[in-house]
Amino acid sequence: GAGVSQSPSNKVTEKGKDVELRCDPISGHTALYWYRQSLGQGLEFLIYFQGNSAPDKSGLPSDRFSAERTGGSVSTLTIQRTQQEDSAVYLCASSLPDRNTEAFFGQGTRLTVV
Amino acid sequence: GEDVEQSLFLSVREGDSSVINCTYTDSSSTYLYWYKQEPGAGLQLLTYIFSNMDMKQDQRLTVLLNKKDKHLSLRIADTQTGDSAIYFCAESFYNQGGKLIFGQGTELSVKP
Repeated sequence: GAGVSQSPSNKVTEKGKDVELRCDPISGHTALYWYRQSLGQGLEFLIYFQGNSAPDKSGLPSDRFSAERTGGSVSTLTIQRTQQEDSAVYLCASSLPDRNTEAFFGQGTRLTVV
Repeated sequence: GEDVEQSLFLSVREGDSSVINCTYTDSSSTYLYWYKQEPGAGLQLLTYIFSNMDMKQDQRLTVLLNKKDKHLSLRIADTQTGDSAIYFCAESFYNQGGKLIFGQGTELSVKP
């Protein structure tokens, strides 16, 4: 596709349920990032994939959060046993592998935990 | 550790200049960025500056970097109502790939 695509655009889930958020990066972009945007918290780094290297998971807030990237393309962010504080917009971005190339962001998935 | 701070709100009149400020704590950053987020839209890269530069100008945008004070600013000349958005500064680091550390964002409101 032309840009980074995220699905669903909105997700409402009950506390305690698991959710999966999907990101389709721009074709050819080997770097993929997940960020979380919470009200009053700004943008928080979650995880970074670069090619076949081990992902940088240093931003994941708890072991309820995990992410994988299959075939170096599509990525899924999974949140288990969701809590109300997980409510946020989850943004995915992708870029070329060079250190300073523009990261293109998707529109985000708005997650609401009720 | 890494910490990036911005003031939360700025209001200006159309035609005036806007200056959005950002401070950061980690001096090992390699690049510093300004992103724009319009309502209901994703983040858009506006401009960036390499950490050994002092200034970068791009049409109506001027970025100033004071490494000694760890202070970054974005000046928008002749601000228009279409510039109303949230502006985020961010930094990246040599040994951390393209990972970005963002500030909280400054909401710019441009009044006619």
